Amino acid sequence: EAGVAQSPRYKIIEKRQSVAFWCNPISGHATLYWYQQILGQGPKLLIQFQNNGVVDDSQLPKDRFSAERLKGVDSTLKIQPAKLEDSAVYLCASSSKRGSVGSYNEQFFGPGTRLTVL
Amino acid sequence: AQSVTQLGSHVSVSEGALVLLRCNYSSSVPPYLFWYVQYPNQGLQLLLKYTSAATLVKGINGFEAEFKKSETSFHLTKPSAHMSDAAEYFCAVTPQNSGYSTLTFGKGTMLLVSP
Repeated sequence: EAGVAQSPRYKIIEKRQSVAFWCNPISGHATLYWYQQILGQGPKLLIQFQNNGVVDDSQLPKDRFSAERLKGVDSTLKIQPAKLEDSAVYLCASSSKRGSVGSYNEQFFGPGTRLTVL
Repeated sequence: AQSVTQLGSHVSVSEGALVLLRCNYSSSVPPYLFWYVQYPNQGLQLLLKYTSAATLVKGINGFEAEFKKSETSFHLTKPSAHMSDAAEYFCAVTPQNSGYSTLTFGKGTMLLVSP
């Protein structure tokens, strides 16, 4: 079974430029997550999709970050314009479905995209 | 809100020595708990999880963790470290009583293994 795919793996941009990251989850996984991992910190959830609907985007800086998941499969995360503090690894994860009370569905992580903003 | 504290940003051990990585959680209700490992330039891989069954949980690569409600802890151990264990380890939590599977991660502990 193929894992979560992400591209590009590395990206270097200058501040105020825009950038987009792509994620292809494991086939059949309904739930997709984007995390931001700043150096020296644990991953922080940016947005969670259930199929093509947003479940949680409370920590997404909506003035500059946007994400979509058209057709409930692939997803794109965009930053426009980028700031220095956006330098981080952006991780995509997927799970078979949203957890329910008393159960948990494992999240599978992609390799991440390392963004450097100069 | 739930939170996780990992004591020690770096832990150094010799090959063959005991590995102990500490994790404490803050939650009014015992959550589900996880340990993930991250090798350089790779994504996170689940080592083991506690989902309110047995309190001693065995995972991959010889790691295990024990859930202690009285101490609000979920420390990760391995009897004998191997060079290949060198990586960053993250403890994470998610609420038991929620329909969501959102994970809250600790800041991570880098495990260094010397020959």
